[in-house]
Amino acid sequence: GQQLNQSPQSMFIQEGEDVSMNCTSSSIFNTWLWYKQEPGEGPVLLIALYKAGELTSNGRLTAQFGITRKDSFLNISASIPSDVGIYFCVPNSGYALNFGKGTSLLVTP
Amino acid sequence: KAGVTQTPRYLIKTRGQQVTLSCSPISGHRSVSWYQQTPGQGLQFLFEYFSETQRNKGNFPGRFSGRQFSNSRSEMNVSTLELGDSALYLCASSLGWPSGTGELFFGEGSRLTVL
Repeated sequence: GQQLNQSPQSMFIQEGEDVSMNCTSSSIFNTWLWYKQEPGEGPVLLIALYKAGELTSNGRLTAQFGITRKDSFLNISASIPSDVGIYFCVPNSGYALNFGKGTSLLVTP
Repeated sequence: KAGVTQTPRYLIKTRGQQVTLSCSPISGHRSVSWYQQTPGQGLQFLFEYFSETQRNKGNFPGRFSGRQFSNSRSEMNVSTLELGDSALYLCASSLGWPSGTGELFFGEGSRLTVL
C-alpha cells in the first residue's frame, strides 16, 4: 500500500523562527494539499498544489509540489503563537485523503 | 454559507453499546467523508459517500458503518463499542470528484468516550 511519511513529527520553536516540514510518499500524486488543525477544531485547508514543481504562497506560508510528484514541502516564515496546531500534508488520490499523523507545531512567545 | 455540522459534539458510552453520529454537509456538497482521530493513530479515513453510495472504505472492522441520505446528510454507526473506539470522529464534505478538487471542509467533530 501507499506509504506516507511526514517529518518532523513535532516541533517546538520560538516566535519569529521559520519552520520547515515535508512529506514523502511511495506513490505519485497529481494533487498535494496542506491542512492545519487547531485544538478543538477540524482541519482547514491552507494550500493546494496541483502541478509538479508548483510553488504557492498563502501569507507567511509557502508550499511546493515536488518535481517527482512524490513529495511536498511547507515553510512557515516568522512564526507567531497562533501558528500552533497540527499540520497535515495530504496527497489526493481522488476518493479519499490520507492524512497520516501530521506535524505538531508549538510556538512559544 | 453554513459549514459542516456534526451532532452530538460530545458523548459517553459504555462498552458493548452502539452509537450513531450525524453530519450535515455544506449545501450543494454531495460527498461526505468520515475520519477517526486518535493521538496514537492520527487521522484515519473511515469511508466516503457520494450520492448515497459508499465509494471508498478505509481499513476498519465491520462494526463501523455509515449511510448517506438523499439530502446528502450522513450518519455513521459504531456497534458493540470497544474502549479503543474512543476518539474524535470528524466528518468532511466536498463537491466530490470529479466535480471538485478534493478539498474537504471539516466539521468540529464528535468526541466519543467509551467507558
